[in-house]
Amino acid sequence: SQTIHQWPATLVQPVGSPLSLECTVEGTSNPNLYWYRQAAGRGLQLLFYSVGIGQISSEVPQNLSASRPQDRQFILSSKKLLLSDSGFYLCAWKPGQGRDTQYFGPGTRLTVL
Amino acid sequence: AQSVSQHNHHVILSEAASLELGCNYSYGGTVNLFWYVQYPGQHLQLLLKYFSGDPLVKGIKGFEAEFIKSKFSFNLRKPSVQWSDTAEYFCAVNGADKIIFGKGTRLHILP
Repeated sequence: SQTIHQWPATLVQPVGSPLSLECTVEGTSNPNLYWYRQAAGRGLQLLFYSVGIGQISSEVPQNLSASRPQDRQFILSSKKLLLSDSGFYLCAWKPGQGRDTQYFGPGTRLTVL
Repeated sequence: AQSVSQHNHHVILSEAASLELGCNYSYGGTVNLFWYVQYPGQHLQLLLKYFSGDPLVKGIKGFEAEFIKSKFSFNLRKPSVQWSDTAEYFCAVNGADKIIFGKGTRLHILP
């Protein structure tokens, strides 16, 4: 069966520090991968998605970037965190490129101080 | 452009009350529609989905949703809610490569 992992679960970082959040999927190949940010009252905001290694689509211009160095690995990064980057970050995957259900990871709670 | 609108941001009901959460979408092609639920402290998980066929879709825990194409709606219903239904509910529409979510509805059930 497929599983999705995210780490760390929680993170507290000072303003201006770098960020690296990792997401990996097991039990499938060539998944579509997604990064969302969840904020109270704003729902799930799609940040990035990837349909293959090295292919990244950015949905919202911001202080963050994403990379997909391996088929089942998706990384969310920042060179210098802002206070406004605080939030709950969710990684998700879905099979291939067809229309199908997305499956979500447990999320990372990021607090920028 | 794809979009999803959930009309109720916060709903409070007593146990045994009936529930209907509104969802309208905007999408120019063939749609797949979803309701996801996030219970307190848990992962976001699929409640039910519509891909094709019968527009009345039944999901887990007694939930159902009806796809009405003419109204661009996919409302979520449950005839009698329980305290354990307290959660946040998200409606979503699927395009070719990505799923777009609504802003969510926080449902609070009073015991």
